[in-house]
Amino acid sequence: AQSVTQLDSHVSVSEGTPVLLRCNYSSSYSPSLFWYVQHPNKGLQLLLKYTSAATLVKGINGFEAEFKKSETSFHLTKPSAHMSDAAEYFCVVSDQGTYKYIFGTGTRLKVLA
Amino acid sequence: DSGVTQTPKHLITATGQRVTLRCSPRSGDLSVYWYQQSLDQGLQFLIQYYNGEERAKGNILERFSAQQFPDLHSELNLSSLELGDSALYFCASSFLAGGLSTGELFFGEGSRLTVL
Repeated sequence: AQSVTQLDSHVSVSEGTPVLLRCNYSSSYSPSLFWYVQHPNKGLQLLLKYTSAATLVKGINGFEAEFKKSETSFHLTKPSAHMSDAAEYFCVVSDQGTYKYIFGTGTRLKVLA
Repeated sequence: DSGVTQTPKHLITATGQRVTLRCSPRSGDLSVYWYQQSLDQGLQFLIQYYNGEERAKGNILERFSAQQFPDLHSELNLSSLELGDSALYFCASSFLAGGLSTGELFFGEGSRLTVL
């Protein structure tokens, strides 16, 4: 069965410092993995996705994530945080060949000036 | 702009009432998903339709129902509303080739329901 664990419910970083949001997944098949961002009172926007191509995936706004099958992880990183990155981030897994999307519980990122 | 349109954006109503939320998926997307997001429950999957047929059910209450019409727009009906139904309701669409997942979900901006 599919599952997603976001290891931190809240993360605080200073502006200009690196961001790391952690995500572990469980999947029976070949997974597709996604990161979404949600700003307050907004819909969810796709940051990046992994669908069995390159394991290092680059997304929008300088974010990237690395698919590590041996560790069943898909952590989201950004070299330098910006104030506008403050938002909630969701890790999502979907087994390729199914129609189910499993969402993590979200990580709220706070960026300190 | 994701291409997914939800109406209304905001809705205030009273307990016991019934409301309908509408979603137009991206052009070409055959599948529609409904989610409920509240502070205490987080993001909860409600129901999914594919090309007019119900495909999967999540944590959807019996007081709630949905359908997808021939033009692929979808409606979520919420009845006998309770205070706890106050939430942000999202619709998402996806292109499912042959009914199987091929990629990401595209989300609308949501409908915020307030039950007083």
